[in-house]
Amino acid sequence: QKEVEQNSGPLSVPEGAIASLNCTYSDRGSQSFFWYRQYSGKSPELIMFIYSNGDKEDGRFTAQLNKASQYVSLLIRDSQPSDSATYLCAVRKGSGNTGKLIFGQGTTLQVKP
Amino acid sequence: DVKVTQSSRYLVKRTGEKVFLECVQDMDHENMFWYRQDPGLGLRLIYFSYDVKMKEKGDIPEGYSVSREKKERFSLILESASTNQTSMYLCASSLFPRTGRSGNTIYFGEGSWLTVV
Repeated sequence: QKEVEQNSGPLSVPEGAIASLNCTYSDRGSQSFFWYRQYSGKSPELIMFIYSNGDKEDGRFTAQLNKASQYVSLLIRDSQPSDSATYLCAVRKGSGNTGKLIFGQGTTLQVKP
Repeated sequence: DVKVTQSSRYLVKRTGEKVFLECVQDMDHENMFWYRQDPGLGLRLIYFSYDVKMKEKGDIPEGYSVSREKKERFSLILESASTNQTSMYLCASSLFPRTGRSGNTIYFGEGSWLTVV
């Protein structure tokens, strides 16, 4: 079992729809969870992070965390063609202080006009 | 803004050559990382460092070494390049997290595309 798992996709949604991206993780001691967006040929950039159960909203993006189910998701409302990218879920393991992040393989999102 | 600079964007090297990938960050971050990214495999951690002269192996350290002589600079070394090391290499840095719950995120450089022929 991979430590951080994502469906590689592609996930295709029409413009204006809600895109839902999912991620599961194996280490129950994980503390912080991150969503990165990566355009083709570019480096990943942070969208948001979450560490408490529940929802965290930032503009059109909402991160959802359920530690009991070891599940974190990213919702993108009113999806735009410019949201087409690969979305990487990352998890900081345990309670150590080395800051090491483990990444999932990413989900490719296609938003069709 | 945090800036992580990778000096070489595109390199072509021959099998057996020694390859140096350099990375510099300008935000006084304690942690620095080297990842490689391959299609279908995502980002995989090669090595990381949480202090000068300190290093720890990541998930795929074989065939690589690192050097961190100064806080702002973290170098990845391929002692004898092989074709299976053809990849995109990403350097990153972050603050040293002081609590278990930390939003201290990782900032990436632009990436170095290495082709070994």
